[in-house]
Amino acid sequence: DAGVIQSPRHEVTEMGQEVTLRCKPISGHNSLFWYRQTMMRGLELLIYFNNNVPIDDSGMPEDRFSAKMPNASFSTLKIQPSEPRDSAVYFCASSLGQDAGYTFGSGTRLTVV
Amino acid sequence: EDQVTQSPEALRLQEGESSSLNCSYTVSGLRGLFWYRQDPGKGPEFLFTLYSAGEEKEKERLKATLTKKESFLHITAPKPEDSATYLCAVLYSSASKIIFGSGTRLSIRP
Repeated sequence: DAGVIQSPRHEVTEMGQEVTLRCKPISGHNSLFWYRQTMMRGLELLIYFNNNVPIDDSGMPEDRFSAKMPNASFSTLKIQPSEPRDSAVYFCASSLGQDAGYTFGSGTRLTVV
Repeated sequence: EDQVTQSPEALRLQEGESSSLNCSYTVSGLRGLFWYRQDPGKGPEFLFTLYSAGEEKEKERLKATLTKKESFLHITAPKPEDSATYLCAVLYSSASKIIFGSGTRLSIRP
């Protein structure tokens, strides 16, 4: 298995532009998580899907952030419009249920200038 | 408020010098405590899950233990390749999400 696959690895965009981050979870995993990591705040959960259904999106910072999981093998996190304070590393992770260990992707480093 | 606190923030050891990392948590119904390792530029890598006080898990030079208020990650005779940030995370019964600690940056000098 190739693990959790995220794209792009790096994204540099101008303030106000739309950004879409993509994630392919491990086949057979039924839980998918989007995290954001910064030096100041560490790892923060943004949203959690179970069987493609959003369960907890209380970590999504603002309406500018949205996430979808149209099927078991694909999820997107969209930021529109982007702002400099959104600059961070965004991780996608998947697992077999919430109680199991998560497998993280390599992350997308987002820089908004 | 449920919290996860890791200490120390950073730890520098000589190769072969054993030590322990600490993760303390507020008690409000623990479902599971997780340890992860994160290398620079990579996502966290799952190491262990502990579910109840007294439980222990081992992997190579690492051993994780759990009490009712904290967990320790013991590193025995570490090697330079053990250098990384070690993250602790807790899943509470009352919550639907895992809370991560801020991590301990471990550096092993040859």
